[in-house]
Formats: sequence, C-alpha cells, structure tokens
Amino acid sequence: KQEVTQIPAALSVPEGENLVLNCSFTDSAIYNLQWFRQDPGKGLTSLLLIQSSQREQTSGRLNASLDKSSGRSTLYIAASQPGDSATYLCAVGGADKLIFGTGTRLQVFP
Amino acid sequence: DGGITQSPKYLFRKEGQNVTLSCEQNLNHDAMYWYRQDPGQGLRLIYYSQIVNDFQKGDIAEGYSVSREKKESFPLTVTSAQKNPTAFYLCASSTAAGTDTQYFGPGTRLTVL
Repeated sequence: KQEVTQIPAALSVPEGENLVLNCSFTDSAIYNLQWFRQDPGKGLTSLLLIQSSQREQTSGRLNASLDKSSGRSTLYIAASQPGDSATYLCAVGGADKLIFGTGTRLQVFP
Repeated sequence: DGGITQSPKYLFRKEGQNVTLSCEQNLNHDAMYWYRQDPGQGLRLIYYSQIVNDFQKGDIAEGYSVSREKKESFPLTVTSAQKNPTAFYLCASSTAAGTDTQYFGPGTRLTVL
C-alpha cells in the first residue's frame, strides 16, 4: 500500500530565504507526482505535476524534482515571500487516484 | 468562467440526519472525486467516478453514498451511518483518473451538532 510522508510538518522562515520541502513515498510504481498549495479554509491549487518519466518541473520560483528510485520528491521555493505562506501537499498518482501526504505548513514572515 | 463549485460552504447537521453536499464542474472532465480532510491530516479519498453512471469506493467510503447521473455533477450524501462526519469535504475533477492534474472546489465544512 502506497504511503506518502512529508517532512517537516511545519516550517517558519524569514522572507527571502530559499527553502526545500520534502516528500517521500514507499512504492516507486507511480504515474506522476503532484504538488498542491492550500490556503486556510480553502480548496487545493495545483502547482506542479511531474510525470513518472520526468526528473523535474519548474514554474516561476518553484522547482519540483522527482527521484523514483529513492522514492523522493522535493519542492524548492526560491526567494520566499509572505504570500507563499500556506500548506503544501504532495500527492502520488496511481492508475486511477491520488494518495496525499499530510502536508507541510509554511509560514514566511517579513 | 470554468471551474468547480461546491455548496453550501458551511453545513450544520443534527445527529441522525442525512445531508447532501453538491459538487458541479463545467470543465468537461470525465473523472470526479470526493475527499475528506481532518485537521492535521492529508486528504482521504471517499469515492471517485471515472465516467457517468459509474463510481468506485475510495479508502473511507463507509457511511457515504454518491451518484453520477450527469457528467457535470457528483453529489455526496453523508448518511447517519457515518459516525464522525464533522470535517472539511473537498470535491475535485480531472480529465482522466489518476494521471492528470486534479482541480479542486472551494470545499464544504460540515459540522454535526
């Protein structure tokens, strides 16, 4: 059974720092890996999707990498801003559904 | 505007009552999903549907029921058999189950009084 873990559970950093969020999964037979952002009391917003054949994806200040053999993905946020404060969730895509991690709650303070 | 709508935003239920949460999408997506989110936990899949008139149980289907009579709509009923229904419920859709980006609605917060 696929299990997805995110470390750390919470992170607080000053504005401007570069930071890395981690996601690990137990079964390397995945279709894709997705990163989402969730603001308090809101739905999820898709940030990046990495297909199983890809190594990384980039969007603006965000870069996500995927290493299937080690069961790991990282989300790199460059030059963090207070507006980046949110919970970030990774999800592993199987044949017909996603398995979510518990998320990393990020706070960026001015 | 294309997107997913959920209603109501807040819902209060007395113990023993069934309630139905609405989810509508105009993205022309085939697949739709219902998740439950509890504080400090990730999303857990309740039910999903890959095509009209077909749906499958997720990881925590007990006490819930769904229907998929139209492509645009995937309502979720929380029955009195669900012992701990207070949670945040999220609906999502995608072009194909599992392999594509899922788009989420704004959620419904259900509280049992």
